[in-house]
Amino acid sequence: QQPVQSPQAVILREGEDAVINCSSSKALYSVHWYRQKHGEAPVFLMILLKGGEQKGHDKISASFNEKKQQSSLYLTASQLSYSGTYFCGTDPGGFGNEKLTFGTGTRLTIIP
Amino acid sequence: DVKVTQSSRYLVKRTGEKVFLECVQDMDHENMFWYRQDPGLGLRLIYFSYDVKMKEKGDIPEGYSVSREKKERFSLILESASTNQTSMYLCASSFAGRSNQPQHFGDGTRLSIL
Repeated sequence: QQPVQSPQAVILREGEDAVINCSSSKALYSVHWYRQKHGEAPVFLMILLKGGEQKGHDKISASFNEKKQQSSLYLTASQLSYSGTYFCGTDPGGFGNEKLTFGTGTRLTIIP
Repeated sequence: DVKVTQSSRYLVKRTGEKVFLECVQDMDHENMFWYRQDPGLGLRLIYFSYDVKMKEKGDIPEGYSVSREKKERFSLILESASTNQTSMYLCASSFAGRSNQPQHFGDGTRLSIL
């Protein structure tokens, strides 16, 4: 079963903050985040492993709460380049084959 | 930089044809994946392979098969193409790990079945 992402779409002005959520009905070992710009391949952002850690680089960070079976991606002071569709990919087992189940995506549009 | 190359960016085929989509990666990755991407449905896994000649079904394998004869190449086969297989197909690869290895994607093949 695919994880549920919310919101499905959001429009923000440059400089505003965004939060994208990813919830699973299964226990999770890890959550991966990717961004896909229109007409391009999805690009890896970060991985969060079981342990509740928070990761980030630049103004994009994420948290993972394995008890709640959910992860959130935080985009701070958004830039035009942040526009795209964000996908979370979840792994319930950590079995080593890196097999992920992806959510349906959140389309983020940043306007000047 | 990792490069995952898909043989065609756009492909048009007719119903009933046997269709081959090819994917090549240059990073010696153990794992390779085939997804299809449809509006509102996200990325859905068709098949994946964790070693040469090894494969496992993903979430939507019906109507598809795969082949991995060499480590760097993973082929997706539509045995008898149907219109409901019109979609964007994405290939990805990764190192083997413990759920801690990113997947690297190709640019995709937009397949239309007429």
